[in-house]
Amino acid sequence: GAGVSQSPSNKVTEKGKDVELRCDPISGHTALYWYRQSLGQGLEFLIYFQGNSAPDKSGLPSDRFSAERTGGSVSTLTIQRTQQEDSAVYLCASSSGDGVYEQYFGPGTRLTVT
Amino acid sequence: AQSVTQLGSHVSVSEGALVLLRCNYSSSVPPYLFWYVQYPNQGLQLLLKYTSAATLVKGINGFEAEFKKSETSFHLTKPSAHMSDAAEYFCAVSALNQAAGNKLTFGGGTRVLVKP
Repeated sequence: GAGVSQSPSNKVTEKGKDVELRCDPISGHTALYWYRQSLGQGLEFLIYFQGNSAPDKSGLPSDRFSAERTGGSVSTLTIQRTQQEDSAVYLCASSSGDGVYEQYFGPGTRLTVT
Repeated sequence: AQSVTQLGSHVSVSEGALVLLRCNYSSSVPPYLFWYVQYPNQGLQLLLKYTSAATLVKGINGFEAEFKKSETSFHLTKPSAHMSDAAEYFCAVSALNQAAGNKLTFGGGTRVLVKP
């Protein structure tokens, strides 16, 4: 079956612009996670959605970052007024519940801020 | 708070030799531990996980890991390296709770090079 998909695969943007990154989780998966992978910080958690519960936003690095998940499926991560330090690979993962279930990762979106 | 330390950012092994990747964790609660592999330009794939059952965990592609509470370690091994094992490997820990689900804290990663 289809895995987690992310779009775009690559995004180059100018400093100060807003960007939207999209994640399509595996159908039926109720949990969705966003992570960021960068040279300086490694792999770090950003935000977690589970069903209709309020998201855990504890990993968002600043208020320029926000995310939403519509209809319990597709999620969009938005970065406003991008900065060069936002350059990274943004990974999305989904799992079938809020337990210790395997997280299935998408291929990521490589964001480059010039 | 939780943290993961992977010793060695790069490891080079000969084909057919033992692969040993070291991972130490810190956790204030009983941890759940994971090893993921990442091939170039791809997402992460789960190799194996420890969830408080057997301390020796077998995963895919011939990998296994042993949870040692006294040493706070979860080292990954494979008896005989294959060229296809060249990738980056990440150790991760989660505390699993209702609020944060299975939020993962990752180590810095170890890139494995396999020499013919």
